[in-house]
Amino acid sequence: AQKVTQAQTEISVVEKEDVTLDCVYETRDTTYYLFWYKQPPSGELVFLIRRNSFDEQNEISGRYSWNFQKSTSSFNFTITASQVVDSAVYFCALSKNYGGATNKLIFGTGTLLAVQP
Amino acid sequence: SAVISQKPSRDICQRGTSLTIQCQVDSQVTMMFWYRQQPGQSLTLIATANQGSEATYESGFVIDKFPISRPNLTFSTLTVSNMSPEDSSIYLCSVRASSYEQYFGPGTRLTVT
Repeated sequence: AQKVTQAQTEISVVEKEDVTLDCVYETRDTTYYLFWYKQPPSGELVFLIRRNSFDEQNEISGRYSWNFQKSTSSFNFTITASQVVDSAVYFCALSKNYGGATNKLIFGTGTLLAVQP
Repeated sequence: SAVISQKPSRDICQRGTSLTIQCQVDSQVTMMFWYRQQPGQSLTLIATANQGSEATYESGFVIDKFPISRPNLTFSTLTVSNMSPEDSSIYLCSVRASSYEQYFGPGTRLTVT
């Protein structure tokens, strides 16, 4: 069975601090996809990143970076120099690899990040 | 990316009634999904809607309660039938815009009184 665990329910930081959101997953599949989404107070889910299980390279996009380690089944997300606009719920998700494509997503329980000014 | 709209954005409904939620995409997509997010909770998949075939429901969700239509490659509807307060949730439409990317609509906030 597939499962995604986000052990951090809530994190509070002060603006400009760095923060890491943890994601641990379980799957018996050898190939799969991992995702991060942001859900601001407005409720819409914003796609942040997709990672193929074949690709263990870390990725950086501006203040965001992701660390994927298959050995520990983790896909952690770091925000550098956090800003108030980063305040949101962040979801990690897992999808099977269906012939190279994604399918339904299994979501973690989410981490509420509050960035204080 | 795909631009997804949902109608209505929110509604307050009475117990025992039904509500149909519409999902419109600005491009043709093969796979559409309907998720439910109960207050303060994560997202749970209700069903996968493919054009030209019956929707595939996840465990715990049945067609009589959540009938889905997918008449073409840009549109789908989800009906929440015979509603109870436990159905109060955000309902989100999602599409697989390419082989890899999945995007979500803005959601429909449903409150059942």
